Amino acid sequence: DGGITQSPKYLFRKEGQNVTLSCEQNLNHDAMYWYRQDPGQGLRLIYYSQIVNDFQKGDIAEGYSVSREKKESFPLTVTSAQKNPTAFYLCASSMRDREETQYFGPGTRLLVL
Amino acid sequence: GENVEQHPSTLSVQEGDSAVIKCTYSDSASNYFPWYKQELGKGPQLIIDIRSNVGEKKDQRIAVTLNKTAKHFSLHITETQPEDSAVYFCAASGGSYIPTFGRGTSLIVHP
Repeated sequence: DGGITQSPKYLFRKEGQNVTLSCEQNLNHDAMYWYRQDPGQGLRLIYYSQIVNDFQKGDIAEGYSVSREKKESFPLTVTSAQKNPTAFYLCASSMRDREETQYFGPGTRLLVL
Repeated sequence: GENVEQHPSTLSVQEGDSAVIKCTYSDSASNYFPWYKQELGKGPQLIIDIRSNVGEKKDQRIAVTLNKTAKHFSLHITETQPEDSAVYFCAASGGSYIPTFGRGTSLIVHP
């Protein structure tokens, strides 16, 4: 059963804490992406990776970090430098071609305590 | 880079009516145009897409049209049903590697 999964579904962050959101795909896709979605807003690109051990900043990378050590996994860390982290975070993947569909995970909602 | 404008931001229709959402793009090199549907609390899902060598594509009650000269494409939903209520996103890609999304349209179908 191929797909893209995100965990946890809900995540709570305390002041000054780093938290990591998980994203895994078994679609054999080369490219993976992280988006942030605020209420009533569109999708804003945080980071993307076209291949293992390589990634690029998107439009709103400040306060976030990523790694791509395995093709299947693209975790996102929300650092304490991100002062307004409350949002819905979406991970996506696609084949390594610019004209391919993106497949999205179910999302992680991050809330600040 | 690519810029995608999407209108309207909110669309309210009665069940059975048609709904049309329009997008324009700026990069003439873009040649792949997907549409995604996002239900509340879920990730977006592809509902239909079109490539630049085609002017129109239909899938049951959903159709997409593309005008490459004018650089705009539209989503048409006929015989709307309450379960069509969701946020719809258009996107354009091909000119640059990363797809560019519109800001979304919240479609509300009243029973």
